[in-house]
Amino acid sequence: DAGVTQSPTHLIKTRGQQVTLRCSPKSGHDTVSWYQQALGQGPQFIFQYYEEEERQRGNFPDRFSGHQFPNYSSELNVNALLLGDSALYLCASSRGVETQYFGPGTRLLVL
Amino acid sequence: AQSVTQLDSQVPVFEEAPVELRCNYSSSVSVYLFWYVQYPNQGLQLLLKYLSGSTLVESINGFEAEFNKSQTSFHLRKPSVHISDTAEYFCAVRDTGRRALTFGSGTRLQVQP
Repeated sequence: DAGVTQSPTHLIKTRGQQVTLRCSPKSGHDTVSWYQQALGQGPQFIFQYYEEEERQRGNFPDRFSGHQFPNYSSELNVNALLLGDSALYLCASSRGVETQYFGPGTRLLVL
Repeated sequence: AQSVTQLDSQVPVFEEAPVELRCNYSSSVSVYLFWYVQYPNQGLQLLLKYLSGSTLVESINGFEAEFNKSQTSFHLRKPSVHISDTAEYFCAVRDTGRRALTFGSGTRLQVQP
């Protein structure tokens, strides 16, 4: 049984560019949450998707947007990248509001 | 708003010694509590969780944590650590009526031979 998968594993972008990160949830899970983990810090909640709608959002600007597909997979989009967006982006899946299980993350470096 | 405080950023300990990683939270409502572990260059793995029932919860690899509502704490303990326990440990809380996890800043456990 595959766990949560994320792609790509690493990504390098320059300031002002746009990036799309992808997540496939664990089998049987219908909810996807995204977190940003800056170096040396704990993860910060970005938003959560359930039934293809954003259900809750953290304190992140509108440059951060997402989408959930009918197969429950999800994308995180970040526009107009800033140096401060460099971080590990973690996807977590769950069955509704039950326990969240995390993927390996995508490490984004903005130059 | 809820918050999580992990008082120790680093905890060095010798192999086979006991360890306690401290976690305190603040919330005005009922909460669920979690400990996650992160090995270098990896994502987070769920270590254990408290949802309801017994306030003492255990993991399969010998860790345990006790929910103390009066002290708003959820400290993680292990009676005898191994080199392989070296990792970053994150305490997290979620309001029962909300969806987001709030994490502490993490504690780096360094097990020395």
